[in-house]
Amino acid sequence: KQEVTQIPAALSVPEGENLVLNCSFTDSAIYNLQWFRQDPGKGLTSLLLIQSSQREQTSGRLNASLDKSSGRSTLYIAASQPGDSATYLCAVSGIGGSARQLTFGSGTQLTVLP
Amino acid sequence: DAMVIQNPRYQVTQFGKPVTLSCSQTLNHNVMYWYQQKSSQAPKLLFHYYDKDFNNEADTPDNFQSRRPNTSFCFLDIRSPGLGDAAMYLCATSRPGPRSQETQYFGPGTRLLVL
Repeated sequence: KQEVTQIPAALSVPEGENLVLNCSFTDSAIYNLQWFRQDPGKGLTSLLLIQSSQREQTSGRLNASLDKSSGRSTLYIAASQPGDSATYLCAVSGIGGSARQLTFGSGTQLTVLP
Repeated sequence: DAMVIQNPRYQVTQFGKPVTLSCSQTLNHNVMYWYQQKSSQAPKLLFHYYDKDFNNEADTPDNFQSRRPNTSFCFLDIRSPGLGDAAMYLCATSRPGPRSQETQYFGPGTRLLVL
């Protein structure tokens, strides 16, 4: 059974700092890995999707990497801003198990201090 | 704008009183999902519809049911809510394609409180 872990559970940084969020998964048989953002009391917004054959994806100040063989992904946020404060979740779409199921991590709650 | 809409945003119900949550989409996606997310936890898939085909997750309690009368709408019915069912319920949609490229689009969620 696929398990997704995110460390740390919470992170607080001063504005302007570059930061890295970590995600690990136990089963490397995946179609893709996705990073989502969730604001308090809101739904999820897709940030980046990395296909299993890809190593990284970039969108603006965000860069996500994927090392499928080691079961790891990182989300790099450059020059953090208070508006980046949210919970960031990673999710994998597994080849085994229930079709179309996304398995999520519990998220990293990020606070960027002005 | 095309989107996923959930109503109501907040729902208060009494212990054991049936409740229905609603999701609609203007994306015309074939697949609709229901997730349960408890505080500070990962979203957990309850079930999904691929068109009219219903797919229940093995560990979804029988207390949870779903209906999809047409492409645009999907409902989550909780027959006898317990205190442990208090959570955020997220609806999502996706358009089938190459699995490596397929993502899900989420609604804003319905927060359910059980008294």
